[in-house]
Amino acid sequence: NAGVTQTPKFQVLKTGQSMTLQCAQDMNHNSMYWYRQDPGMGLRLIYYSASEGTTDKGEVPNGYNVSRLNKREFSLRLESAAPSQTSVYFCASSLVKAGNQPQHFGDGTRLSIL
Amino acid sequence: GNSVTQMEGPVTLSEEAFLTINCTYTATGYPSLFWYVQYPGEGLQLLLKATKADDKGSNKGFEATYRKETTSFHLEKGSVQVSDSAVYFCALRLPSIQGAQKLVFGQGTRLTINP
Repeated sequence: NAGVTQTPKFQVLKTGQSMTLQCAQDMNHNSMYWYRQDPGMGLRLIYYSASEGTTDKGEVPNGYNVSRLNKREFSLRLESAAPSQTSVYFCASSLVKAGNQPQHFGDGTRLSIL
Repeated sequence: GNSVTQMEGPVTLSEEAFLTINCTYTATGYPSLFWYVQYPGEGLQLLLKATKADDKGSNKGFEATYRKETTSFHLEKGSVQVSDSAVYFCALRLPSIQGAQKLVFGQGTRLTINP
């Protein structure tokens, strides 16, 4: 009963380094999302993928890229990490069908940029 | 624009106390409203939801009523337990042609229940 799995759980980078955060879901969900969580600001949407083969910008996309590798996997890439990207990153997924289907979240990746 | 405002935390209560966490929203159109809970070291979990005005969502003793006239969705519980200690997020979702759920979250309210 894995749900949404994120790797790694923790990472420390130096400014300018690159990194890819991985996310996979086993619930056959259509849509996937990347959020960042910062103190006092709740969760903010970085990018999302409504369905396999599509990606769109969310509220705070600058400095990030995404890839919807297949229906299960949605990765987030930092090409040149900056201290302002220090945050907790959450991946989520949801099923698109009639009615309000909830988003299911992973346990997060805590990323520190020095 | 679309936004969600929650009462500022942290909130500290004694076990069996009554809980209210206020949430108000601004939205174009007719959003669905959600409460999510985040336990330490974990991701968010859906606690309850309401999809139209006057709907009441409920789960695990928590309740919230969608009030269109006051644009509010306050979370309440009659008798809290230590295990309710967590961060609570109010969120809204607008209908999407593409089908993806773009949630807008409040800033979160940290709740601590003392025995």
